[in-house]
Amino acid sequence: DQQVKQNSPSLSVQEGRISILNCDYTNSMFDYFLWYKKYPAEGPTFLISISSIKDKNEDGRFTVFLNKSAKHLSLHIVPSQPGDSAVYFCAASAVGNTGKLIFGQGTTLQVKP
Amino acid sequence: NAGVMQNPRHLVRRRGQEARLRCSPMKGHSHVYWYRQLPEEGLKFMVYLQKENIIDESGMPKERFSAEFPKEGPSILRIQQVVRGDSAAYFCASVPGLAGGEQYFGPGTRLTVT
Repeated sequence: DQQVKQNSPSLSVQEGRISILNCDYTNSMFDYFLWYKKYPAEGPTFLISISSIKDKNEDGRFTVFLNKSAKHLSLHIVPSQPGDSAVYFCAASAVGNTGKLIFGQGTTLQVKP
Repeated sequence: NAGVMQNPRHLVRRRGQEARLRCSPMKGHSHVYWYRQLPEEGLKFMVYLQKENIIDESGMPKERFSAEFPKEGPSILRIQQVVRGDSAAYFCASVPGLAGGEQYFGPGTRLTVT
């Protein structure tokens, strides 16, 4: 039972354009959502997060949107840069559930110069 | 400020041997999570520990796997009698002390079982 799903294994965008990465979840107890970026042979690096009491959080070029009714979140990267090429994981944690993260399968983003 | 450290970075074991993976959290962090990433998959939670205490081991396989976080020294994930299916990347993440919020990951240990 995959509680967090990233249905697009890969995404390719042109440098300077917007990258939109999507994530769906099934567990209505999730109350905190995070995006991590991962390069090969490295650990995930935290990017941005959002609490379930919000529907948007912005940090520089990165914005996360949360649609609770649709159980959907997305990460927007504007403008995309070649250095953004990596695997992006969305993750979620549930209230009172020891903080463990449930990860999606990841989306590989390629930003072409 | 040193980040989360894991060693070894790469570990090769023959089937039936034991694997010990170490994780030193960020300075000031007293809680550690372990995750496993199989090829082409996302990270899967294994266990959550604070010093001298296992908080949540709901993701740990029932046999051959154990974890500890002693009062002094790193957290250790131990896999006894390894099998080929244990080949994966093992990541630990640390947090200051409260469950929830962002977790800071180490570079991982890549275990290969031959």
